[in-house]
Amino acid sequence: EIVMTQSPATLSVSPGERATLSCRASQSVSSNLAWYQQKPAQAPRLLIYSASTRATGVPARFSGSGSGTEFTLTISSLQSEDFAVYYCQQYNKWPYTFGQGTELEI
Amino acid sequence: EVQVVESGGGLVQPGGSLRLSCAASGFTFSGYYMDWVRQVTGKGLEWVSGIGSAGDTYYSGSVKGRFTISRENAKSSLYLQMNSLRAGDTAVYYCTRSMSGSSFDAFDIWGHGAMVTVSS
Repeated sequence: EIVMTQSPATLSVSPGERATLSCRASQSVSSNLAWYQQKPAQAPRLLIYSASTRATGVPARFSGSGSGTEFTLTISSLQSEDFAVYYCQQYNKWPYTFGQGTELEI
Repeated sequence: EVQVVESGGGLVQPGGSLRLSCAASGFTFSGYYMDWVRQVTGKGLEWVSGIGSAGDTYYSGSVKGRFTISRENAKSSLYLQMNSLRAGDTAVYYCTRSMSGSSFDAFDIWGHGAMVTVSS
């Protein structure tokens, strides 16, 4: 199966700052890569699909890039509501796999 | 409103069985791939199983042979029959929808989750 590795595990940032989260796949997943946001006691929410396309209703401060094995989620100016855990997921090949998550904390 | 709602979670003894259900509304259920994703409390997400609109099924290695995914398009419902349950299956189980009719797509709709606890 394809192993997804996210870094860092925890990212300490301040509101207004820029955050860059990384995701690496153990083999190419083309652009079949999604990013999800999960807040405590909530279900995950789709942010980005096809590596760089924002899902409906996602603010423009969220952007995704990359293809193949290296991917990045960037949050340009952190808002208080952005502090959460972020997961990447490949859906290029069964079984679909998720990264272990990056926690964004103040 | 487009939504999916899980039910059927609970406490079950090791070796026991449980059936989760997912009721979909607000979209044409029959046209979408549907999946189950689980999450151990405080841990990450794990894809469990998926089913296509034509009934093709897919499983993770950790549940293959023990879990069975099915759907009933006439009732807009998805199911997960879980047999030979183990302590390691304890998790919140989410019902999810793939964005398009394709098997390879992100999950754009998530339910609130159903808690499954396997313990004696």
